[in-house]
Amino acid sequence: GQQVMQIPQYQHVQEGEDFTTYCNSSTTLSNIQWYKQRPGGHPVFLIQLVKSGEVKKQKRLTFQFGEAKKNSSLHITATQTTDVGTYFCAGQNYGQNFVFGPGTRLSVLP
Amino acid sequence: NAGVTQTPKFRILKIGQSMTLQCTQDMNHNYMYWYRQDPGMGLKLIYYSVGAGITDKGEVPNGYNVSRSTTEDFPLRLELAAPSQTSVYFCASSYPKSSGGNYNEQFFGPGTRLTVL
Repeated sequence: GQQVMQIPQYQHVQEGEDFTTYCNSSTTLSNIQWYKQRPGGHPVFLIQLVKSGEVKKQKRLTFQFGEAKKNSSLHITATQTTDVGTYFCAGQNYGQNFVFGPGTRLSVLP
Repeated sequence: NAGVTQTPKFRILKIGQSMTLQCTQDMNHNYMYWYRQDPGMGLKLIYYSVGAGITDKGEVPNGYNVSRSTTEDFPLRLELAAPSQTSVYFCASSYPKSSGGNYNEQFFGPGTRLTVL
């Protein structure tokens, strides 16, 4: 079945540094979503990417969907303590349910 | 709108006991889901429903049952609790793009933390 992997598993950064997490699928995706989960909280939707090579920005967050639609990345510029949490990607394969990656846990040191 | 609500927030069960995790959404969403999240792991789909009266198995359905008699409610039943079912359970809802919604965005409830001893 479809598998979704994320690297790194953990990332510790100093406040102000950049952060990137990568998501890779074993199959071609129709679309991919990103979620953020604060410690002790529930996943919250950030964005959905649909088109090959698509790039979307939300303030300091930049999301990219690979040309082959099998990978994606989330980049945070100049991290802040409010960025702390776990970032999950979830890939959908044409009409199937979304499969979540294991997440990247980000900690930001002030 | 309250969104997706779940009860209880916490529960401790003994091995072999049964319980029902409640989930309700007030957004008139067709799709509803149950996930479990083990420590440090991602979300695994247990069951899902595309509408009232329709349910289907996800990736890890063994040991669980669901029903969907109304659009709003999607309870998850554990019949014979086992330590392997210790986890955080999240209910979520969404609407398909074809219904006119913008995305397949899933709205998650606050979760139920279950411990089986």
